[in-house]
Amino acid sequence: QKEVEQDPGPLSVPEGAIVSLNCTYSNSAFQYFMWYRQYSRKGPELLMYTYSSGNKEDGRFTAQVDKSSKYISLFIRDSQPSDSATYLCAMSDTNAGKSTFGDGTTLTVKP
Amino acid sequence: DSGVTQTPKHLITATGQRVTLRCSPRSGDLSVYWYQQSLDQGLQFLIHYYNGEERAKGNILERFSAQQFPDLHSELNLSSLELGDSALYFCASSVYSGAIRSTDTQYFGPGTRLTVL
Repeated sequence: QKEVEQDPGPLSVPEGAIVSLNCTYSNSAFQYFMWYRQYSRKGPELLMYTYSSGNKEDGRFTAQVDKSSKYISLFIRDSQPSDSATYLCAMSDTNAGKSTFGDGTTLTVKP
Repeated sequence: DSGVTQTPKHLITATGQRVTLRCSPRSGDLSVYWYQQSLDQGLQFLIHYYNGEERAKGNILERFSAQQFPDLHSELNLSSLELGDSALYFCASSVYSGAIRSTDTQYFGPGTRLTVL
C-alpha cells in the first residue's frame, strides 16, 4: 500500500463549479502538506502548503488538513478552464529530507 | 517562473549511452531534489542533496548518480541508458536545512525530456 493515495480521476466539471480534490495518507509523521498543479508535462507549480492541521485559503483555493483522519483536501471555487491540469498532493516528514507525492488527479473544467 | 533552471530541455540519445542533466537551484536554496516522471505516471523521487551532501535517497538505480557542487548546482548522471529510462526528469529546490520545522516546500524546474532510442 502506498503512503499517499490520490484518486487519479479523471475529473470533469463545468466552469464555475466547486472542485474537491483529496488525498489520504498513512504516515502519521507527516507534518507539511502541499498541493501542486502540473500543466501538460510542465514542471509542477506549488499552489498551497500548510503545516499540521487546519485550513488555509488563497484566493479561489482552500487547503484543509485533518491529521486525525489522515486526510487532506484542496477546494477550488468558481473553477475556470485554466484550472484544467493535474493536481498533485505532497507531504513530508522534515526529518526524512524528502516529500512523498500522490500520483495526481487530472481535472478538466469545461467552458 | 520558479527560479529553478534545468538544461538541456530535450535530450535524444541511444541505448547504452551516458548523459548528464544539469540543475541550478533558486537563489538561496541549499537543497536540490531530483525526480523522474514517466509517461502517465507520478513523480518518482530519486535523490536529495543538501549543501553538497546526500540527504535522502529514493528508488534511484545504480546506473544513475548525482552530485551537488560548491556553487550549489547539481548534476544527474544517467549511464548505460535503456529504453525504459525515457522520461521527464525534474529538479526541485527548497530552503530545507534539516533543522527542526525546516520546510521541505519545493519549487520545480521546467524539466528535461529524455528520449532513449
